[in-house]
Amino acid sequence: KAGVTQTPRYLIKTRGQQVTLSCSPISGHRSVSWYQQTPGQGLQFLFEYFSETQRNKGNFPGRFSGRQFSNSRSEMNVSTLELGDSALYLCASGTLGGANEKLFFGSGTQLSVL
Amino acid sequence: GESVGLHLPTLSVQEGDNSIINCAYSNSASDYFIWYKQESGKGPQFIIDIRSNMDKRQGQRVTVLLNKTVKHLSLQIAATQPGDSAVYFCAERRSELIFGQGTELSVKP
Repeated sequence: KAGVTQTPRYLIKTRGQQVTLSCSPISGHRSVSWYQQTPGQGLQFLFEYFSETQRNKGNFPGRFSGRQFSNSRSEMNVSTLELGDSALYLCASGTLGGANEKLFFGSGTQLSVL
Repeated sequence: GESVGLHLPTLSVQEGDNSIINCAYSNSASDYFIWYKQESGKGPQFIIDIRSNMDKRQGQRVTVLLNKTVKHLSLQIAATQPGDSAVYFCAERRSELIFGQGTELSVKP
């Protein structure tokens, strides 16, 4: 069974641009969550989608958005990029995304904002 | 605020020794905890989990202990190997995962 797949693996953007990251969950998983990882802040929750609906959202500005498609694949978008958005963006999938369920992570997209 | 944190940022052990990584959590209502291992250039990899109705759970070479009285979690790795070198995170599962800051484990040959 293939794991969580994230594309692209690396991205370099400049301030003010926007970026879209993609995540394909494990086959059969319907929950997709996104996390941002930085050396200073560690792993922080962005949002969670289940059956195409955003079920939970972390404390990030509105420049960060996401969506989930009917096949459970998910994308996240960051508009008007800032230098501080440079981070590893991780996608995680779960069967149902319940509070007592483990999540499986992809290898992430490393975003550098210049 | 409530958070999940780790006691030590780095841990160095000799190959073959046992490793113990600690974690403190503050939300006494939490009932599900997960340990993840993250190697350089990779995403967090699930190691083992434990629910609050248990105080110990064993996997292959790993054991997680949960002490709800003092809100403490630990990960024990038996016969630590060079391949165990990584950053280890404990995570508290609420509606989302709340991660600790991580402990970097280095294994000396």
